[in-house]
Amino acid sequence: QSALTQPASMAGSPGQSITISCTGSSDDIGGFNYVSWYQLHPDKAPKLIIYDVYRRPSGVSPRFSASKSGDAASLTISGLQAEDEADYYCSSYTTSASRIFGTGTKVTVL
Amino acid sequence: QVHLQESGPGLVKPSETLSLTCTVSGGPISGYYWNWIRQTPGKGLEWIGYIYDTGRTNYDYSHRSRVAMSVDTSKNQVSLSLSYVTAADTAVYYCARAPGGLYYFDYWGQGILVSV
Repeated sequence: QSALTQPASMAGSPGQSITISCTGSSDDIGGFNYVSWYQLHPDKAPKLIIYDVYRRPSGVSPRFSASKSGDAASLTISGLQAEDEADYYCSSYTTSASRIFGTGTKVTVL
Repeated sequence: QVHLQESGPGLVKPSETLSLTCTVSGGPISGYYWNWIRQTPGKGLEWIGYIYDTGRTNYDYSHRSRVAMSVDTSKNQVSLSLSYVTAADTAVYYCARAPGGLYYFDYWGQGILVSV
């Protein structure tokens, strides 16, 4: 099963909003409401920022929001801040009872 | 606060077995699925599989023939073995916790780079 498709990179100025797409199929994103998003900073443990499509774990900034439509999901970062510069990955449960990740998006704050 | 720490050799020879351990502190092993995930150089994240506290496993089909996971609840540790490694197995390996019955990874280790 191929990885979910994300844009390789996105950039925005401080205060702006960006939306990262994550495209899959009916075997993963389209078949379940089990999309999650992770933030990866170099030399730090990856961080869960969204689970079950749109839910935010306690302590995660409300500037992070997410949704799903059909076979695609998206993550929006509002009010972009320097600390948001990181790699972002989506993930989904699949019909094979496995987990699949996206190709990853590098976010740059200009 | 839950903390996961991966450990093991940073260099493995081709055709040998990669063996890693994840030590869990600040929380129990029981009731959670313990996953291994890797990130190969220049590529994205790849799920390898999980082990539950009972020892039940689920491995991704692409690794099934070479992977074995184990759990030691007395030591709060989970382990990964990947046999017959090649250069393609060079990656940062993470362990990550998934709450029982749920489909996301709420805590991750910092990762360990293993070169083949």
